[in-house]
Amino acid sequence: RKEVEQDPGPFNVPEGATVAFNCTYSNSASQSFFWYRQDCRKEPKLLMSVYSSGNEDGRFTAQLNRASQYISLLIRDSKLSDSATYLCVVVEQGAQKLVFGQGTRLTINP
Amino acid sequence: GAVVSQHPSRVICKSGTSVKIECRSLDFQATTMFWYRQFPKKSLMLMATSNEGSKATYEQGVEKDKFLINHASLTLSTLTVTSAHPEDSSFYICSARDQFDQPQHFGDGTRLSIL
Repeated sequence: RKEVEQDPGPFNVPEGATVAFNCTYSNSASQSFFWYRQDCRKEPKLLMSVYSSGNEDGRFTAQLNRASQYISLLIRDSKLSDSATYLCVVVEQGAQKLVFGQGTRLTINP
Repeated sequence: GAVVSQHPSRVICKSGTSVKIECRSLDFQATTMFWYRQFPKKSLMLMATSNEGSKATYEQGVEKDKFLINHASLTLSTLTVTSAHPEDSSFYICSARDQFDQPQHFGDGTRLSIL
């Protein structure tokens, strides 16, 4: 079983739609969680951190469910510029390294 | 925000060539740098973790004699792919973290193509 699993997609949604991604992780000792965004042939960029209490940044909302070991990302009122691959990232307790999911590819259509 | 610079961004060379990639933290001291590799449509996979002034820690399955890492200063780490072969063609990305344990910041990546 992969340490971090995501549905690779692709997700094709119309502009203005709401889209949600989920991610599951296998290590219950994981400590920190992030969503990164990666554009084609570019480096990943931090989108937001994920907390059990939920984290909202404009149109983006991230949520962590430790009991079920899954992380979610919700994008409201999607824009064309939201088209990218969204990477779920987990950091194990006491470790430094980031463990990346495969990424979910999102395309927003006009 | 924190900036990490990676150079070169693109390399095309013949099989058997050794290639050096540089990763610099421009506005902070990177006590730890990480080197990742990403094959097309795959996850970023950590290759090694380097701490300034000490030997790098390699992930399982990564040959330390093939992928030489040097982290001689708090702002520079280098990855040398020795005697590169076509199967080494990939997207190599570094990231850096300062001593205050902030999220990692990524370099622009280096696309390596071995002919």
